Amino acid sequence: AQSVSQHNHHVILSEAASLELGCNYSYGGTVNLFWYVQYPGQHLQLLLKYFSGDPLVKGIKGFEAEFIKSKFSFNLRKPSVQWSDTAEYFCAVSPLSGTYKYIFGTGTRLKVLA
Amino acid sequence: EAGVAQSPRYKIIEKRQSVAFWCNPISGHATLYWYQQILGQGPKLLIQFQNNGVVDDSQLPKDRFSAERLKGVDSTLKIQPAKLEDSAVYLCASSLDFLSGDTQYFGPGTRLTVL
Repeated sequence: AQSVSQHNHHVILSEAASLELGCNYSYGGTVNLFWYVQYPGQHLQLLLKYFSGDPLVKGIKGFEAEFIKSKFSFNLRKPSVQWSDTAEYFCAVSPLSGTYKYIFGTGTRLKVLA
Repeated sequence: EAGVAQSPRYKIIEKRQSVAFWCNPISGHATLYWYQQILGQGPKLLIQFQNNGVVDDSQLPKDRFSAERLKGVDSTLKIQPAKLEDSAVYLCASSLDFLSGDTQYFGPGTRLTVL
């Protein structure tokens, strides 16, 4: 069965620290890849997405992610986090077949200390 | 542009009662999704509509859950009767057309507590 793994469930960082959140998926075919963010009290919002082309994609608020096809990975990065980045981050994979449905990871709770 | 609207935002019911959730997608979006998000887990797709037809309901517990999108716009998700394990956030999302692999946009969710 298709699955998405986010290995870091809780991450605590100080402001200005660098961030990398892992995302691995199990599916051998072509996929679209997404990172969504949920700030406290808010709904899920798209952070960035990869459909095709340059495997390094840039999103909002200084986030970027790199798609490494050989490793089935789509890790999220930010060079310097801010207190306002405190949120829950979800990786999602959409296989480009059938109903294209999203498969979400379990999420990573990030807390940034001021 | 208005986002995905959901109501109610919170609901508390006793087990074996019934409950209904409503969703209004972004205007012009053909595909509508209902997800269940249990605490500590990622969202899980329950049902996917394309206009007023069902595309995928493979993970919908059909003995107690039902959903409809009669006019291809608004949608209702119902649980009858509710069980304790149904306590979760129910998310509605929409996209222009799932066949384009388009981005899904999420509503604020309905937090259901079953006592």
